[in-house]
Amino acid sequence: QVQLQESGPGLVKPSQTLSLTCTVSGGSISSGSYYWSWIRQPAGKGLEWIGRIYTSGSTNYNPSLKSRVTISVDTSKNQFSLKLSSVTAADTAVYYCAREGLIVRGFDYWGQGTLVTVSS
Amino acid sequence: QTVVTQEPSLTVSPGGTVTLTCASSTGAVTSGYYPNWFQQKPGQAPRALIYSTSNKHSWTPARFSGSLLGGKAALTLSGVQPEDEAEYYCLLYYGGAHWVFGGGTKLTVL
Repeated sequence: QVQLQESGPGLVKPSQTLSLTCTVSGGSISSGSYYWSWIRQPAGKGLEWIGRIYTSGSTNYNPSLKSRVTISVDTSKNQFSLKLSSVTAADTAVYYCAREGLIVRGFDYWGQGTLVTVSS
Repeated sequence: QTVVTQEPSLTVSPGGTVTLTCASSTGAVTSGYYPNWFQQKPGQAPRALIYSTSNKHSWTPARFSGSLLGGKAALTLSGVQPEDEAEYYCLLYYGGAHWVFGGGTKLTVL
């Protein structure tokens, strides 16, 4: 059973960089069969896809966030990470990591989510 | 900017059937948009239900089905159960390799 777990600071100051890590267990992030995505959800609002990474390091980002987002992968630790720069209160949200099938284009496993608050 | 539109809310009686739809501002939704559907209950992470239009995950109850209907992606629940009350999100894939979520449909079972 694949499991994903988000981790990182729950509070970030405005203008700083938000950094989160997703640890994958029960399967190898290097398997080559999946993309690894970040998704967020402000309180009481809908879901927003942030971006994804393939095991090779190839990335795709939401055009509206592209200038501020960096997703990276550490295959030795079976982890992938999110950095979002120049954050504002609008970036306050629950951040999820999730797995997407390379061929079937389907999301299956999700992390439980972690709340990040942007506040001074 | 691409917009994916869902019904804001729907109400269905227990045992009934309801269809949720997912439209794209770019035009008709086809299989090439690889529609995904998710269920989210309060305080929980989304749970994947359907991928690539109509494919179910191993954990997806048989009463859930996905299709294309009138230029939209559709999720049909047949024989609705009280536990199906939740928010439902669709997700579409666009050229340029990015995904866009719909705004969600709040399904009430009453």
